[in-house]
Amino acid sequence: AQSVTQLDSQVPVFEEAPVELRCNYSSSVSVYLFWYVQYPNQGLQLLLKYLSGSTLVKGINGFEAEFNKSQTSFHLRKPSVHISDTAEYFCAVTPGNNAGNMLTFGGGTRLMVKP
Amino acid sequence: DVKVTQSSRYLVKRTGEKVFLECVQDMDHENMFWYRQDPGLGLRLIYFSYDVKMKEKGDIPEGYSVSREKKERFSLILESASTNQTSMYLCASSLTGVSGYTFGSGTRLTVV
Repeated sequence: AQSVTQLDSQVPVFEEAPVELRCNYSSSVSVYLFWYVQYPNQGLQLLLKYLSGSTLVKGINGFEAEFNKSQTSFHLRKPSVHISDTAEYFCAVTPGNNAGNMLTFGGGTRLMVKP
Repeated sequence: DVKVTQSSRYLVKRTGEKVFLECVQDMDHENMFWYRQDPGLGLRLIYFSYDVKMKEKGDIPEGYSVSREKKERFSLILESASTNQTSMYLCASSLTGVSGYTFGSGTRLTVV
């Protein structure tokens, strides 16, 4: 079984500052990793995913994430945030052997960008 | 683009009513899921389905049932709505684990 821990429930940051949203996972098998974003009163949409290859993954809206196998982490970063990045962000994991198709989600991190 | 459509954005129902939440996807995905989302609790899986007429319980199935008569449609049923079922309900579909999920816009249900 897999589990995902998002270490910060809320992250306040000023506009144009850099941000890092932390995600750690636990799994006995290799995994695929995902970040989703949820804007207010909307569903979740995929930001980026790591399947294999380069450990630095670039996604939409200027976000990127780095897979670190030794630290079992997949932190999300953006060098300069905008007010419009205010949203909730979810990290998720699924077994890399494709045993089932289930995603396990973290508890979410609310990013609050202040002017 | 894959679309997952949830029939209602907002619903208000009375305690004891039978409630149907509908979800339709248009890309022939095998897998469909129902989650509820509550502040501080993240996403919790209610039920999922890997095929027509097939369903599996998730983490919190009590008080809910589902129906999947056609591949594109996955319905969540609250047999007798209660106030503790007031929540945001999210439907999702996927082709494989690699592809990730595509979510609908959600239905915010209030039970009074």
